[in-house]
Amino acid sequence: EIVLTQSPATLSLSPGERATLSCRASEDISDMLGWYQQRPGQAPRLLIYDGSNRASGIPDRFSGSGSGTDFTLTISSLEPEDFGIYFCHQRRNWPPEITFGQGTRLEIK
Amino acid sequence: QLQLQESGPGLVKPSETLSLTCSVSGGAMNSGTSYWAWIRQPPGKGLEWIGSIFYSGSTYYSPSLNSRVSMSIDTSKSHFSLTVTSVTAADTAVYYCARLGSGPYYGYFDHWGPGILVTVSS
Repeated sequence: EIVLTQSPATLSLSPGERATLSCRASEDISDMLGWYQQRPGQAPRLLIYDGSNRASGIPDRFSGSGSGTDFTLTISSLEPEDFGIYFCHQRRNWPPEITFGQGTRLEIK
Repeated sequence: QLQLQESGPGLVKPSETLSLTCSVSGGAMNSGTSYWAWIRQPPGKGLEWIGSIFYSGSTYYSPSLNSRVSMSIDTSKSHFSLTVTSVTAADTAVYYCARLGSGPYYGYFDHWGPGILVTVSS
C-alpha cells in the first residue's frame, strides 16, 4: 500500500500570509495526486488533481506542484474561508487502491 | 448539477449491522468510467476509503474492512448502498458517499454528499 505522509500536522497562519503544505508518498506516484479542502462541518472538496491542475471553480490562489514522491500545495494569500483541513490523495494504483494522507490542519493564528 | 445524499440510521448497536444509502440526482449513474464510493471520517480524524462500486456492480473494498463490508447499486433507482457488519465503537464516524470522477478527474472524488454521522453505542 502506498502511504502518504503530510506535514506539518498543524499550520498556524494569519489571513494574507502564504501557506505551504507538503505531502510525501512512500513510492513514486508520478503526478497522480490530488488535494482536498475540508471546511469545518463540511464534506471535502477537490482542489487540485494530477499534482498541479485546479479543479473547476477553484481560485487561482491555490496551486499544486511536485511529482514522484514529493508534492506541495501552496495558498498564495490566505482568505478567512481557507482555514480548515487539507488532505492529499493518490490514485496511482486505482483500482484497486485508494489512500489519503492524514491531513494538515490550517488554523488562524 | 450532480448531487449526492446519504441516509440511514444515526445510531447502531454494537455487533449489529450498519446500513446506509446514497441517493444520486442530477446525473446518470451508468455513464463513463465513474465509480461510486463510501468514505468515512471518525470524529477528529482523517479520511478512510471504505470501498467503491461500478454501475455494473463490480466492487473494490479496503483491505482493512473487506471482511465486513458489502456494497450494492441500483441504477434504476439512482442509489447505491453500504453495509458494515459486526460494528464496534471504532466504526463511529461521519460516512460520506462520493463519486470517483471520469475524464480529467479520473480517480479523484469530484462530488461528495454532505455526510451522515453514525454512532455505534448501546
